[in-house]
Amino acid sequence: NAGVTQTPKFRILKIGQSMTLQCAQDMNHNYMYWYRQDPGMGLKLIYYSVGAGITDKGEVPNGYNVSRSTTEDFPLRLELAAPSQTSVYFCASSYSNTGGSYNEQFFGPGTRLTVL
Amino acid sequence: QKEVEQNSGPLSVPEGAIASLNCTYSDRGSQSFFWYRQYSGKSPELIMFIYSNGDKEDGRFTAQLNKASQYVSLLIRDSQPSDSATYLCAVIEEKKSSGDKLTFGTGTRLAVRP
Repeated sequence: NAGVTQTPKFRILKIGQSMTLQCAQDMNHNYMYWYRQDPGMGLKLIYYSVGAGITDKGEVPNGYNVSRSTTEDFPLRLELAAPSQTSVYFCASSYSNTGGSYNEQFFGPGTRLTVL
Repeated sequence: QKEVEQNSGPLSVPEGAIASLNCTYSDRGSQSFFWYRQYSGKSPELIMFIYSNGDKEDGRFTAQLNKASQYVSLLIRDSQPSDSATYLCAVIEEKKSSGDKLTFGTGTRLAVRP
């Protein structure tokens, strides 16, 4: 298994440009997440999805959009990029059951985005 | 607003010593607690999780939870230079069908001196 993959690894955007960060997982996980990590900070949840066709906002959703048309893919769209969106973006996935136990979130390698 | 607080460090310990990392959280409803390790430039990886008050041991790692005092700690015994990383504390309020949303602390940077 490749696990969680993200593309691109690095990207520089100009203010006002748009782009899509790609995330895919091959573990058949139903839950997927997007986090951002600013320098010296913890991770903040942007959006998450509990299954295909279902998405919801996290703590910092402004300026982003997501879609989940398949179980495997969870792209993150940035519209009108701003310098405040300069960050490292991590995608994660987990399998969740109804049994009450927590299942580990597996993280992708991250995308380092700079907006100038 | 849920908060998870950690001392940013760096915490410097000599090789072979015990490293003690602490985390406090604000939401009394928090149920599950996690420690992630993050090497510089890499993604986080889960090293410990704990649900119940008391200690949980896994190899050189021990997680300690005290829900009454709202803190969780991580002890690393026989610290090695390879343990040098940032350790992130994370909390889930409760298990919901709407997703396992983690709230992260800012992390503590650990440096183990050879």
